[in-house]
Amino acid sequence: GAVVSQHPSWVICKSGTSVKIECRSLDFQATTMFWYRQFPKQSLMLMATSNEGSKATYEQGVEKDKFLINHASLTLSTLTVTSAHPEDSSFYICSARLPTSGGHEQYFGPGTRLTVT
Amino acid sequence: AQSVTQLGSHVSVSEGALVLLRCNYSSSVPPYLFWYVQYPNQGLQLLLKYTSAATLVKGINGFEAEFKKSETSFHLTKPSAHMSDAAEYFCAVRVDSSYKLIFGSGTRLLVRP
Repeated sequence: GAVVSQHPSWVICKSGTSVKIECRSLDFQATTMFWYRQFPKQSLMLMATSNEGSKATYEQGVEKDKFLINHASLTLSTLTVTSAHPEDSSFYICSARLPTSGGHEQYFGPGTRLTVT
Repeated sequence: AQSVTQLGSHVSVSEGALVLLRCNYSSSVPPYLFWYVQYPNQGLQLLLKYTSAATLVKGINGFEAEFKKSETSFHLTKPSAHMSDAAEYFCAVRVDSSYKLIFGSGTRLLVRP
C-alpha cells in the first residue's frame, strides 16, 4: 500500500516550452502532496505544499508563476514548469502525506528527471 | 526552527560490518524524525520513523535508530552491512504541524566486498 507514482519518469524539452509532471497516489487519498527538487548529489529542497482544492503554498525563493501546481483531486497533483530554461533541469520528486497513522508519513514518487535543452 | 545535520557525506564499510550513519537534530518542540533511503535515480523509501513512542525504532531491511534526547541524535545503525545497502540515506525532521519535512544533506553509504 501507499504507492505514489510520477509521470513521466524523464522528459527532455526545449528551452522556452512548458512541461507538466503528474504525481498520483495510487491506493490512498492524499489531501496534501509535496513537491521537491533535487540537484545532483544534493539533498531534497522543498518547493511547495500542494493542498487539494486550494492554492499551493510555495517555499521562499520558489517562483510560483514558473512552477505551477494544481491539486485538482485527492489523488492527483501536477507541477508545470513554464517557459523552461536549462537551469530548471533537475530531478523533481513528489510525495503524498498518508492521512492515517497520525499523518506523519510521506510516501515518495520515483521522481521525474527534467532536462531542458 | 527545526533542522537536521548529517555528519559524513560518505561512509564506507566492508560487507558484514556495522553500519552507523549519524544524524543530529534541532527542534524547539518534540520532534518527529525519519530516515529515508534513495537508490540511484529513484525516489525515497521510508526506512523508519520516530514519533515520540519507543526511543529505539526498528525499520525495514534490518535498520534501526535510537532517539537520544540528551544528545539530540537519531543515528541509524545496522549490525551487518549488505552490498544491497549501498545507497544515499537521508535523515529528516517534520516541521511543526505543517507536515513538511526538512532533510539533511544526505550520507552516501558504500559497501566494500
